[in-house]
Amino acid sequence: AQSVTQPDIHITVSEGASLELRCNYSYGATPYLFWYVQSPGQGLQLLLKYFSGDTLVQGIKGFEAEFKRSQSSFNLRKPSVHWSDAAEYFCAVGAYGNKLVFGAGTILRVKS
Amino acid sequence: EAGVAQSPRYKIIEKRQSVAFWCNPISGHATLYWYQQILGQGPKLLIQFQNNGVVDDSQLPKDRFSAERLKGVDSTLKIQPAKLEDSAVYLCASSLTRDTEAFFGQGTRLTVV
Repeated sequence: AQSVTQPDIHITVSEGASLELRCNYSYGATPYLFWYVQSPGQGLQLLLKYFSGDTLVQGIKGFEAEFKRSQSSFNLRKPSVHWSDAAEYFCAVGAYGNKLVFGAGTILRVKS
Repeated sequence: EAGVAQSPRYKIIEKRQSVAFWCNPISGHATLYWYQQILGQGPKLLIQFQNNGVVDDSQLPKDRFSAERLKGVDSTLKIQPAKLEDSAVYLCASSLTRDTEAFFGQGTRLTVV
């Protein structure tokens, strides 16, 4: 069965600084990988997804993620964080049929 | 394009009472999902519909939870009787097909006291 680990429960970065959120997954085959963002009281918004092909994936809001099969990782990055990026971020792994298994999430705080 | 609509947004009930949540997916989306998100955890899939048929309900506590998607459009999720541990946000999502992007509603926050 697939599983996702997000090692960092909270991360605080300064506005303008770079960001990397970690995600490790366990899955028996090539996974579908996703990053979602959730603002307080809101639903989940898809930032980016990896199905196949180029292992560096570009998403919305200036985010990117890199799939590293050897490390079973799919870390999310952003070169310069804005205050509006403060939210909770979820990594998810899916099989065919889009049954997603989510990590526990990482809460991002941005300090000015 | 209208998004996934859910109601109510908030609900407070006493344990052993029943409650129902409603979801209207994006028009034309064949696949509909209900997720449970307990505070401090990621969402967990409860049930997945393809049109009006159930694809996966392996994590649905069937002794108290039920869901239906009549006519393959709107869906309702019911809990009867509710327990304290059912306090969570219930998220509905829909996708065009089973292997395309899922769009999430804002969720219903349930508090069982």
